[in-house]
Amino acid sequence: DGGITQSPKYLFRKEGQNVTLSCEQNLNHDAMYWYRQDPGQGLRLIYYSQIVNDFQKGDIAEGYSVSREKKESFPLTVTSAQKNPTAFYLCASSIHRDGNYGYTFGSGTRLTVV
Amino acid sequence: ILNVEQSPQSLHVQEGDSTNFTCSFPSSNFYALHWYRWETAKSPEALFVMTLNGDEKKKGRISATLNTKEGYSYLYIKGSQPEDSATYLCAPSTSGTYKYIFGTGTRLKVLA
Repeated sequence: DGGITQSPKYLFRKEGQNVTLSCEQNLNHDAMYWYRQDPGQGLRLIYYSQIVNDFQKGDIAEGYSVSREKKESFPLTVTSAQKNPTAFYLCASSIHRDGNYGYTFGSGTRLTVV
Repeated sequence: ILNVEQSPQSLHVQEGDSTNFTCSFPSSNFYALHWYRWETAKSPEALFVMTLNGDEKKKGRISATLNTKEGYSYLYIKGSQPEDSATYLCAPSTSGTYKYIFGTGTRLKVLA
């Protein structure tokens, strides 16, 4: 079955460490996205990529980095520069960059800084 | 940043009741709007993609309408069932950005 796989489901990180969240899709979708959810807030866009080897900052990109070396993969690195990394992270993809067919979401990664 | 408001934040209805929620957004430069259903412990699931003023979409007992001139979309659920319990998210975008901005959602609980 096609879909998006995010791993791990739960992640604990010590302060000052970088950590990478995985997102893989086998849907042959062009575009991929990373969102963050905090209590009481909507999903906020961190980074998005519309084609391989290209990506753009979303609304809250500071302290994060991404790469898009393969169409299937869009990993997110939470760096030590991210002041409040504890959150729920969702990855999504869409067939075309305009999102006109809607997004397919992964199941999320919950990151906790200890 | 696009300001998206969803109301109510949460509601409880009895099984069999019909209900509706609102998504409000700035009407200028509208491009498209998504509705998603997000059940606990699952991934958000796309319900509708709406692009034209006056659009009406339907999927079983759930339907949605769009008014781009005044900047709102309604989601209706007819004859609510316990399995409709979820958070319903809307996400509009503006022309040329391809970025969808999510509201905080409406949390629906259908009581049996």
